Amino acid sequence: ILNVEQSPQSLHVQEGDSTNFTCSFPSSNFYALHWYRWETAKSPEALFVMTLNGDEKKKGRISATLNTKEGYSYLYIKGSQPEDSATYLCARGGSQGNLIFGKGTKLSVKP
Amino acid sequence: GAGVSQSPSNKVTEKGKDVELRCDPISGHTALYWYRQSLGQGLEFLIYFQGNSAPDKSGLPSDRFSAERTGGSVSTLTIQRTQQEDSAVYLCASSTGTPQYFGPGTRLLVL
Repeated sequence: ILNVEQSPQSLHVQEGDSTNFTCSFPSSNFYALHWYRWETAKSPEALFVMTLNGDEKKKGRISATLNTKEGYSYLYIKGSQPEDSATYLCARGGSQGNLIFGKGTKLSVKP
Repeated sequence: GAGVSQSPSNKVTEKGKDVELRCDPISGHTALYWYRQSLGQGLEFLIYFQGNSAPDKSGLPSDRFSAERTGGSVSTLTIQRTQQEDSAVYLCASSTGTPQYFGPGTRLLVL
């Protein structure tokens, strides 16, 4: 894997459903893995920064795991709510501090 | 406290015109980044300022793009002789490490 890949590209779920997305990245020269939430007409909001293999982080109903050896991270949302509707971005930290982003997963939660 | 602000929020210009986009980072943040998201693409790194060091311009797509950061605070991204492929959302972020804090972006449309 040369770039950051996210799947699925988009996702439609019903309120109350739990869901998860995948982020794949090059496992070599790993610095950090970032998750952001980007709601329409707002600024991208940092959710998690993960650096260690096996890291698990949680923020309310949202959690993330990291596997640096195989180059993937999962983001989980438990009991999705309409306000969770957003594009979820994954990025790997570059050597110069810049972030290298995937194309995002667009989540729509229907009431 | 105040977050990252960007102006204008929207800009429509004609092909061949020059445009300037402004970013006001969070006070005290030494690092400042510019990214852009073109239609159907992920966020793409453009340029990175860190303190008084020479900026990392490795992401600038052509010599029509330039950026300055005056006094270690406000930054201006200038695009000369705009082309239709420059149409995108231009995002600025600032930080003192991780995570990066993003502004709401400038949506640029080149007709």
